[in-house]
This record gives sequence, C-alpha cells and structure tokens, in this order.
Amino acid sequence: GAVVSQHPSRVICKSGTSVKIECRSLDFQATTMFWYRQFPKQSLMLMATSNEGSKATYEQGVEKDKFLINHASLTLSTLTVTSAHPEDSSFYICSATWGDSSYNEQFFGPGTRLTVL
Amino acid sequence: QKEVEQNSGPLSVPEGAIASLNCTYSDRGSQSFFWYRQYSGKSPELIMFIYSNGDKEDGRFTAQLNKASQYVSLLIRDSQPSDSATYLCAALKGYYGGSQGNLIFGKGTKLSVKP
Repeated sequence: GAVVSQHPSRVICKSGTSVKIECRSLDFQATTMFWYRQFPKQSLMLMATSNEGSKATYEQGVEKDKFLINHASLTLSTLTVTSAHPEDSSFYICSATWGDSSYNEQFFGPGTRLTVL
Repeated sequence: QKEVEQNSGPLSVPEGAIASLNCTYSDRGSQSFFWYRQYSGKSPELIMFIYSNGDKEDGRFTAQLNKASQYVSLLIRDSQPSDSATYLCAALKGYYGGSQGNLIFGKGTKLSVKP
C-alpha cells in the first residue's frame, strides 16, 4: 500500500513557540492531503484539507492563522502550529490521497504527538 | 446529533468469538463508509470500505451497510487478542468542488479480545 510519513513523531515545546510538522507521501503523488487532530479518547477531527498549489480549506472552528498549512508539492504538506499553547497538545495525523473516485482511500501517516509545556 | 455515532464500549469478547461493531450516520448524502483500526498511540489503519447495500467480506472481516437505516457494521470472526484495538467508523462526506471529500469519524469502539 501507499506510504505516508510524518516528521517529527514526537515534539515537546515551550508555550509560545511554533512547531512545524511535515507530511510526505513517499511512493505516490498526493493530490490532496488532510490534517487531523485527535485528543485523548476522542475521535479524529478534520482540521483542514489541502490541495497542492492552492490554499487549504479549514474546518469550522479551526483558526487558519494559528494552524498554517502549506502544500508546496505533490509529496509534501506542512502544518505549522504558531504560538503553541498547552491546549494545542494533541496527536496530529495527516493523510494523503489521489484520484477522484467516490470511495477514495486515505493513507494515514503515523502521527505526531505534540506536547506544549 | 453527531454525524457518525458509535458505542464507545469497551466491547469485550472471548478469543474465537464474533465481535460485532456498530455505527450509525446522520447524513443521507454519505456514499462510502470505512472501518479503521487504531492501536493506542498509533494512527488509524484501514480495514475495509463499503459503498453498496449489503455485505462485503474480506478474510475474517465482514462489513454490512444498510442505507435505509443509515447503519454500518463490522463483524470480526474468530477474534484474536491482536484484534484488541479501537475501531473507527468513518463516512465520506462527498466532494469539495474538484477535490476529495472528507471523512467524518465516529469516536470509536474499544474492543478487547480476552484469551
């Protein structure tokens, strides 16, 4: 199956700093990448959808100025959490897909555990 | 009403038994449904998807879809301790213009298979 990587897998930072998370599709060109956030014992919540070369579409309630998404190429998307605070501590997961079928499969990255002190 | 609902469990079954996981959805426009397995601290992995009414079998797993009742289920036959995980049901919410539709996830059902 298709492989999606994320880096870093785990990051601890101080409150007020910015953190960048990378999502890469290793063996396919991802027309669309998704960013999710998962709090403990909660489900995955979609934060935003990004297509290569265009601005990301953010879900309601997600601050686009705080969560900056750049999908610069068909194999790389980045999520930058700006001025992170402890409430941003979460498990961030990206997924990637291609094609336009009505039953597209999203391939998930391994996730990034962010802890803000 | 949440868009995709699952019983959070935990659901406990003995090894070798059939585990039955259920999911309901509210958006009749949803066309495709996915079952993911998520181990603690890991990202979800796809088990199977279904988009036609009826049953779809893949090895020990059978997905069932009833669009009239807005109900999706996953049966796991001959359950193994290694099947112990949280199972997420997701509905594909259609398209965004020319790009992909997005998945709406339920909160997941925690399954525990006892040896």
